[in-house]
Amino acid sequence: RKEVEQDPGPFNVPEGATVAFNCTYSNSASQSFFWYRQDCRKEPKLLMSVYSSGNEDGRFTAQLNRASQYISLLIRDSKLSDSATYLCVVNLYSSASKIIFGSGTRLSIRP
Amino acid sequence: NAGVTQTPKFQVLKTGQSMTLQCAQDMNHNSMYWYRQDPGMGLRLIYYSASEGTTDKGEVPNGYNVSRLNKREFSLRLESAAPSQTSVYFCASSEAGGNYGYTFGSGTRLTVV
Repeated sequence: RKEVEQDPGPFNVPEGATVAFNCTYSNSASQSFFWYRQDCRKEPKLLMSVYSSGNEDGRFTAQLNRASQYISLLIRDSKLSDSATYLCVVNLYSSASKIIFGSGTRLSIRP
Repeated sequence: NAGVTQTPKFQVLKTGQSMTLQCAQDMNHNSMYWYRQDPGMGLRLIYYSASEGTTDKGEVPNGYNVSRLNKREFSLRLESAAPSQTSVYFCASSEAGGNYGYTFGSGTRLTVV
């Protein structure tokens, strides 16, 4: 089983729709969590950290469920510019060598 | 506001050739990393440097060497390139431990023929 698993997609949704991704992780000792966004042929960029109580940044909401070992990302009122690959990232033990990237979920927003 | 700068952006090598990928950051970060990204496999850690003067192997270190030249610079060397090293390489930096996320360079697309 992979340490961090994501549905690869692609998710193809109309502009204005709400879309949600989940990401599961295998190690219960994981300490910090992030969502990154990666545009085609570009570097990953930090979208948001994921806090235990859940957090929101504009149209984006991230949640953590430690009991079930998954994190989620909700995008409301999706825009064409949201089209990208979204990477789930898990940091085990707060160690530089134990940051695991998921393979990413591809999102395509259609007009 | 350069952030993390990687060079070169593109490179084609013949099997057996060597090359060094350069990376520099201007954010005063302690930790620096080299990743490779292949289709369907996500980012895999090659080597990292938790702080100036230290380097450690990551998940896929074979065929690579690194040098943490100073706090700003972290280079990756391929001594004898192989087709299996065809990939996109990203350098990244972070505060110690990576708890506040990473900043990535724009990547190097390497093809080994």
